[in-house]
Amino acid sequence: GGIITQTPKFLIGQEGQKLTLKCQQNFNHDTMYWYRQDSGKGLRLIYYSITENDLQKGDLSEGYDASREKKSSFSLTVTSAQKNEMAVFLCASRGVSGNTLYFGEGSRLIVV
Amino acid sequence: AQSVTQPDARVTVSEGASLQLRCKYSSSVTPYLFWYVQYPRQGLQLLLKYYSGDPVVQGVNGFEAEFSKSNSSFHLRKASVHWSDSAVYFCAVSDTGNYKYVFGAGTRLKVIA
Repeated sequence: GGIITQTPKFLIGQEGQKLTLKCQQNFNHDTMYWYRQDSGKGLRLIYYSITENDLQKGDLSEGYDASREKKSSFSLTVTSAQKNEMAVFLCASRGVSGNTLYFGEGSRLIVV
Repeated sequence: AQSVTQPDARVTVSEGASLQLRCKYSSSVTPYLFWYVQYPRQGLQLLLKYYSGDPVVQGVNGFEAEFSKSNSSFHLRKASVHWSDSAVYFCAVSDTGNYKYVFGAGTRLKVIA
């Protein structure tokens, strides 16, 4: 089986700072996702990437940039961190058959 | 547009009791339907999924779900819950050929002794 690794688990930054989250997968999946999870709410799609070097905006892309330079990795940058966007960020990749998403354990963003 | 509604934000059941978590979806075609579980400080893990065939689908740890096209529902069930089932459960939908998934807001399950 494969695994999705998100780093760091906790990311602490100051308001206005640019912060980057990283995600690595060894499933060899083509499609990868970044979701934001706010307490008590569902997952909201920030960016997804169908294949290497592809980027697609989700419903919540404003204030974020993404990068997919390799098939195995997908990075998300918060361009100017704000206190109201403290949340857990989940990375996922999509299996080849059956559309199953496989998730990492999440990275918690804390803005001070 | 697709949508998913989980009407119960929180559910509390006694250990050993049966469980049903509700999920209603809207989609223009028969979608892929999923139930995921999230334990504290972890990512989401797949419990089960449905696309076609027998409307009752079996998942891990004794969970099952029943698809109803007429009711646009995909309810999750378990005959006898254990304290370790305490977690947040998410229903999700994805259309064939669409890369996007829509998740419900989740149902937080608490199993009490």
